[in-house]
Amino acid sequence: AQSVTQLDSQVPVFEEAPVELRCNYSSSVSVYLFWYVQYPNQGLQLLLKYLSGSTLVKGINGFEAEFNKSQTSFHLRKPSVHISDTAEYFCAVTPGGGGYQKVTFGTGTKLQVIP
Amino acid sequence: DAGVIQSPRHEVTEMGQEVTLRCKPISGHDYLFWYRQTMMRGLELLIYFNNNVPIDDSGMPEDRFSAKMPNASFSTLKIQPSEPRDSAVYFCASSLPGAGGNTIYFGEGSWLTVV
Repeated sequence: AQSVTQLDSQVPVFEEAPVELRCNYSSSVSVYLFWYVQYPNQGLQLLLKYLSGSTLVKGINGFEAEFNKSQTSFHLRKPSVHISDTAEYFCAVTPGGGGYQKVTFGTGTKLQVIP
Repeated sequence: DAGVIQSPRHEVTEMGQEVTLRCKPISGHDYLFWYRQTMMRGLELLIYFNNNVPIDDSGMPEDRFSAKMPNASFSTLKIQPSEPRDSAVYFCASSLPGAGGNTIYFGEGSWLTVV
């Protein structure tokens, strides 16, 4: 079984400042890792995912995340946030491999961008 | 391509009434999920289907909840009788797992208020 921990429930940051949202996972097997974003009054949508290969993954809207196997982390970063990035961000993990694998979501981190 | 379509977007009902939430998954996706999101419990997987067959309903809170998928393009989640504690956002999602990992596509959600 796998689990994912998002240590910060809320992260306030000023506009144009950098941000890092933390995600740590636990699994006894290889994993795929995801970040989803939920804008107010909307469903979750995929921001980026790591399956294999380069540990630095780039996603939409200027976000990127780095897979660190030794630290079992997959932190999300953006060098300069915008007001429109205000949303809740969910880290998720599945066992690696093809076919259906159960997705485990974190509890979410609310990013509040302050003008 | 159209995303996952849910209806109604908003529902306010009285305690004891029956509630039916509807979902049309993305065409070609063979997995369908029902999630519930609340402030207290976060995002919970209620049930999922594969090729219209319910696979795991262990997340369904109690017998008042039932879900069906009569064909590949339609699913319902029914609550009968409804209670105030069922107030939440209910998301339908679909997926086509493969070598690219199990990306889940969410609908916009059905916001249920039971008074």
